[in-house]
This record gives sequence, C-alpha cells and structure tokens, in this order.
Amino acid sequence: EVQLVESGGGSVQPGGSLRLSCAASGFTFNNYWMSWVRQAPGKGLEWVAEIKQDGSTLYYVDSVKGRFTISRDNAENSLFLEMNSLRDDDTAVYYCARDSWPDGFDIWGQGTMVTVSA
Amino acid sequence: QAVLTQPASLSASPGASASLTCTLRSDINVGTYNIYWYQQKPGSPPQYLLRYKSDSDKQQASGVPSRFSGSNDISANAGILFISGLQSEDEADYYCMIWLNSAWVFGGGTKLTVL
Repeated sequence: EVQLVESGGGSVQPGGSLRLSCAASGFTFNNYWMSWVRQAPGKGLEWVAEIKQDGSTLYYVDSVKGRFTISRDNAENSLFLEMNSLRDDDTAVYYCARDSWPDGFDIWGQGTMVTVSA
Repeated sequence: QAVLTQPASLSASPGASASLTCTLRSDINVGTYNIYWYQQKPGSPPQYLLRYKSDSDKQQASGVPSRFSGSNDISANAGILFISGLQSEDEADYYCMIWLNSAWVFGGGTKLTVL
C-alpha cells in the first residue's frame, strides 16, 4: 500500500524548534519530488517547501525561508522538515505529500499537528 | 490581489451541477498553467482530483469519477472544476493550485454544500 506517515508534531514555545518526519512506503521514494503542506486551524492549505528527488533543489514559501529546512534520506525512504524560530502563526497541521509532476500531489499523509504557544 | 481567488462558498442541490471557479491574478494567463484541484473533507487530508491545462493536456486522478472535470474560462481568466450529478458525498472544501515563480500556490478554497 502506498503510504505516507508523518510524525514529530507537538507543542512548542515561540522561538522553539521541532523536526517533522514523514515515512514513505509502497512506492519508489527516490523517484519523486516531495512537499510539505500545512493547514492552520479552520484555514486553507498553504504549501511550505519542496525537495527534488536527489535533494539538490529546494523551494520554500517566503514566510519560512531562513527558518525551515526540508531534507530527505532516500536510503530510509524518509522526508524531514526542520523548523526553527517557530512563531504562533506556524501553528498548523503539517502534511507531507508526493508530487507526481506534471500531475498533482497524489498521495498525502494524515498530518501531524504543530502548536506554537506560550 | 491574491494569485488565486476562489469564492468562499457555494451551494447546490443533489443531482444538480456545480461550477467552482479559480480566478487567476490578472497578470497570470490561465492558458499557460496547469491548474490542480483537490477535495478535502473534514478531518481528512486533501485528495487530488485532477489537473487541467487544456482539452489536450489534462489528467484525471486515479479513481476520481468522471463527474469531476476541469476546464478554463479564458474570458474570465479562471480555471473551473465542474461537478455533475452532485451527491451528498461531494460536500467538501475544494482547493485549486498552480506552480508559479518556483512556488506552489493554493487558492483560499470553496466550501461546497450539497442540500
């Protein structure tokens, strides 16, 4: 079964750090670009970051540049999001998603909740 | 002006059809971009529905019924998700998305109510 499973969410104070993980299974992980997408409570979807198959190309939404780092370990079929200098407005469910370019984000995880609050 | 603008809500009756619009900012030509559509039900992750650029360049996600289709309204500079034969299970939030300037951009979403 093709599957993505996120972990690592939790509660953190403003200015703190968290590392999210996404375990992929059921497909050849290193064939795909991968993305993180977040959704604040009661709000819409916001794309956060994307990484190329070999990790050589990274893209970020402006609001997280310099604070978040996307990475991957193809040997472990895993995607990561290192989040530093967290702010209240980073509070959201974070989803990892498989990018089947030129087609869409065709596989999504169930999400992991990140709460930033004093 | 937002890159992608979607109406916040839309209501339609069971069995009817619905057209969900995704209007592109005026400096972005709808005919140039793949527009992606996603459905999200409460408490669940989004589900990919389809990609549309033109009638000759489009893709339906695996398992998505043919009741869901995409098109463009060139005069309105908008992408359209058309849903025919509405069912109660189609009640959900729908998001459009494009790739622009090295970033994925989502529209704000439309809440479709079927009643």
